[in-house]
Amino acid sequence: AQSVSQHNHHVILSEAASLELGCNYSYGGTVNLFWYVQYPGQHLQLLLKYFSGDPLVKGIKGFEAEFIKSKFSFNLRKPSVQWSDTAEYFCAVSNPNTDKLIFGTGTRLQVFP
Amino acid sequence: NAGVTQTPKFQVLKTGQSMTLQCAQDMNHEYMSWYRQDPGMGLRLIHYSVGAGITDQGEVPNGYNVSRSTTEDFPLRLLSAAPSQTSVYFCASSSKGKNIQYFGAGTRLSVL
Repeated sequence: AQSVSQHNHHVILSEAASLELGCNYSYGGTVNLFWYVQYPGQHLQLLLKYFSGDPLVKGIKGFEAEFIKSKFSFNLRKPSVQWSDTAEYFCAVSNPNTDKLIFGTGTRLQVFP
Repeated sequence: NAGVTQTPKFQVLKTGQSMTLQCAQDMNHEYMSWYRQDPGMGLRLIHYSVGAGITDQGEVPNGYNVSRSTTEDFPLRLLSAAPSQTSVYFCASSSKGKNIQYFGAGTRLSVL
């Protein structure tokens, strides 16, 4: 069965600091990988996705993620965070043959000015 | 663009009461799903549907029923609410094979 682990449950940063959120998945076959973001009081929005090709994918608002197949990882990065990045971030994985998403438990990011 | 619409936004129930959470999408998506979000547990899949007339269970289906009589609608029914069902519920839809899900704004449910 697929599963997703997000090791950072709560991250606190100052503005302009660099961000890296860890995501590891367990599944032996081909996967599609996603990062979703949930701003306070809002619904989930897609931040970026990886289906195939270049393992370094760029998303909205300056976020990027790198798929490392050998490590079963899909870490999210941003060189310089802003206060407006305060949100909860969810990593998710799916089998390309289905539309079922399996989510990690989420990482709460707080950015202070 | 309405996207995925969930009603109601908030609901308070007493233990044992029944209710239906509504979800509708106007994107002609084949795939629809219901998740519940609880602190520290992320989103967990309750039920999903790959098309009208077809539904299946997710990770946490107990206490919930669904049906899919049309492509647009995917209601979630709580037959006898329990305090353990206090949660935020999200509906999502995607086009088959596209693998990108679009989420509704959520329903915050409290069961007393």
